[in-house]
Amino acid sequence: EAQVTQNPRYLITVTGKKLTVTCSQNMNHEYMSWYRQDPGLGLRQIYYSMNVEVTDKGDVPEGYKVSRKEKRNFPLILESPSPNQTSLYFCASSPAGTGGGEQYFGPGTRLTVT
Amino acid sequence: RKEVEQDPGPFNVPEGATVAFNCTYSNSASQSFFWYRQDCRKEPKLLMSVYSSGNEDGRFTAQLNRASQYISLLIRDSKLSDSATYLCVVNSFSGGYNKLIFGAGTRLAVHP
Repeated sequence: EAQVTQNPRYLITVTGKKLTVTCSQNMNHEYMSWYRQDPGLGLRQIYYSMNVEVTDKGDVPEGYKVSRKEKRNFPLILESPSPNQTSLYFCASSPAGTGGGEQYFGPGTRLTVT
Repeated sequence: RKEVEQDPGPFNVPEGATVAFNCTYSNSASQSFFWYRQDCRKEPKLLMSVYSSGNEDGRFTAQLNRASQYISLLIRDSKLSDSATYLCVVNSFSGGYNKLIFGAGTRLAVHP
């Protein structure tokens, strides 16, 4: 089954404790990105990757890191989480040639930082 | 001003009703447009693209007005299963790549 998977789905952590949210897609898509969704603000892009070893900042990159060592994986790293990073996070992938409009989202990771 | 603006709703309609959502965008250079659907606590899913000439997919009709910079989605004969949040999405070419801007969404509740 074609899908985007994220782990963990739910995470409660404390300020300053490094964490990684994994994202994997099995559709051989070139383009991947991370979003956060907060009430009233819509989805905002954190980082994106056009292909392996090619990543760039989105609209709200502060406090996050990413890497793209393999085509299928695009982990999101929070080196020192803070309460303002409490949010719902989505990973998405998109095939080349669609202009990025046809995005397939993972099921989401609900993160709470206390 | 937000780049993509939507009425948050909720729109409460009975089954069988016709309902329309509008969305406005600020970047006149935007190139492509989409409607996504998001069920409560779930991931967004592409509902349909929006073409310049307007397009229809079953009970759903999308229209684009570039001059006024707005997009609309019309749902006919509403079903209970249409209850969801509808996200207006605009794709602009910026910084060497296509960037998706999501609206905050319009919530639809269809009741019996």
